[in-house]
Amino acid sequence: GAGVSQSPSNKVTEKGKDVELRCDPISGHTALYWYRQSLGQGLEFLIYFQGNSAPDKSGLPSDRFSAERTGGSVSTLTIQRTQQEDSAVYLCASSPAGVPYYEQYFGPGTRLTVT
Amino acid sequence: AQSVTQLDSHVSVSEGTPVLLRCNYSSSYSPSLFWYVQHPNKGLQLLLKYTSAATLVKGINGFEAEFKKSETSFHLTKPSAHMSDAAEYFCVVSTTDSWGKFQFGAGTQVVVTP
Repeated sequence: GAGVSQSPSNKVTEKGKDVELRCDPISGHTALYWYRQSLGQGLEFLIYFQGNSAPDKSGLPSDRFSAERTGGSVSTLTIQRTQQEDSAVYLCASSPAGVPYYEQYFGPGTRLTVT
Repeated sequence: AQSVTQLDSHVSVSEGTPVLLRCNYSSSYSPSLFWYVQHPNKGLQLLLKYTSAATLVKGINGFEAEFKKSETSFHLTKPSAHMSDAAEYFCVVSTTDSWGKFQFGAGTQVVVTP
């Protein structure tokens, strides 16, 4: 079946512009996660959605970052007034439920370059 | 709280020799543990997972890992490395006190030489 998809695959933007990154999770998965992976770094947790519960935003690095999930499916990560340090690969993952023993299924990522 | 430490940032092995990637975790509750692999410019792929069943877990591509509670370890092994094993490997822990959140290790870069 279809896996997690993300768009665009690559995004180049000028410093100060806003960007939107999209994630389509696997159908039926109630949990959705956003991570950031900078060059040579591990994965940095950004935000977590589980069903209709309030999202866990504890990983968002600043108030320039926000995310929403519409209809319990598609999610959009928005970065306002982008900075060069925002350059990274943004990964989305989904899981059947937000429980510890379910693995996360990752999308291919969006590579964001801020010039 | 939970945390995970990958003890080696880089591992270099010769093709055909064993691979050992070390992972230690810290958790107040019974953990679920995972190993993911990321090939260059690719997404993360699950290799295997431990979720309180058998302590020796077999995964894809000949990898296996053993959960040792007394040592709080979940080391990943493969008897014979292949060139296609060159990638970055992440150890991941999740527990019921951090519902649904995964804690990723910093990663181990594996280089396989002919």
